Amino acid sequence: AQSVTQPDIHITVSEGASLELRCNYSYGATPYLFWYVQSPGQGLQLLLKYFSGDTLVQGIKGFEAEFKRSQSSFNLRKPSVHWSDAAEYFCAVGPFSNSGYALNFGKGTSLLVTP
Amino acid sequence: DGGITQSPKYLFRKEGQNVTLSCEQNLNHDAMYWYRQDPGQGLRLIYYSQIVNDFQKGDIAEGYSVSREKKESFPLTVTSAQKNPTAFYLCASSIWRDIGSYGYTFGSGTRLTVV
Repeated sequence: AQSVTQPDIHITVSEGASLELRCNYSYGATPYLFWYVQSPGQGLQLLLKYFSGDTLVQGIKGFEAEFKRSQSSFNLRKPSVHWSDAAEYFCAVGPFSNSGYALNFGKGTSLLVTP
Repeated sequence: DGGITQSPKYLFRKEGQNVTLSCEQNLNHDAMYWYRQDPGQGLRLIYYSQIVNDFQKGDIAEGYSVSREKKESFPLTVTSAQKNPTAFYLCASSIWRDIGSYGYTFGSGTRLTVV
């Protein structure tokens, strides 16, 4: 069965420090891969996506992600975190034809940024 | 500007009562989705619709119903059969079969609370 795992439920980083959020997936082929961000009480905003080509993709707000086929991973990174980056981050994979081309989401990683 | 509008932002339901959450989009997207979000659970698919007058159950459809009479609208009814309806509900839309290019567009969500 297709699945996506975000191993870290909570992460705390200091402002200005680097950030890496992990995402692993289980799927027979390389799916589309996405990272979304959610501020409290809000919907989700797309940060970046990958399907093919360069395995390092750039997104909005200074985020980037690297696809590693051998590790079935799509980790999100940012060189220097800002206090406004505190939010919930979701990795998503898909689309899957047996669910109307819906995306499958991980359980999320909550990012706390300290001064 | 194009987008998805969910209403109301907050909704309170009494025991045994049906309530309907509204989702409207003006993006001309074919597909629409309803997800339920609970703390630590990520997003779980309730229902999806690829075209007008057609919809399919997702992973947790029990106690919910939907309709898709217009391309722009995909309302979700939480029935009295849903025993634990308190959650954050997110509506999303996409260009069907081209999710890889654009991903989802999300609404800002409806928080439903049983009182």
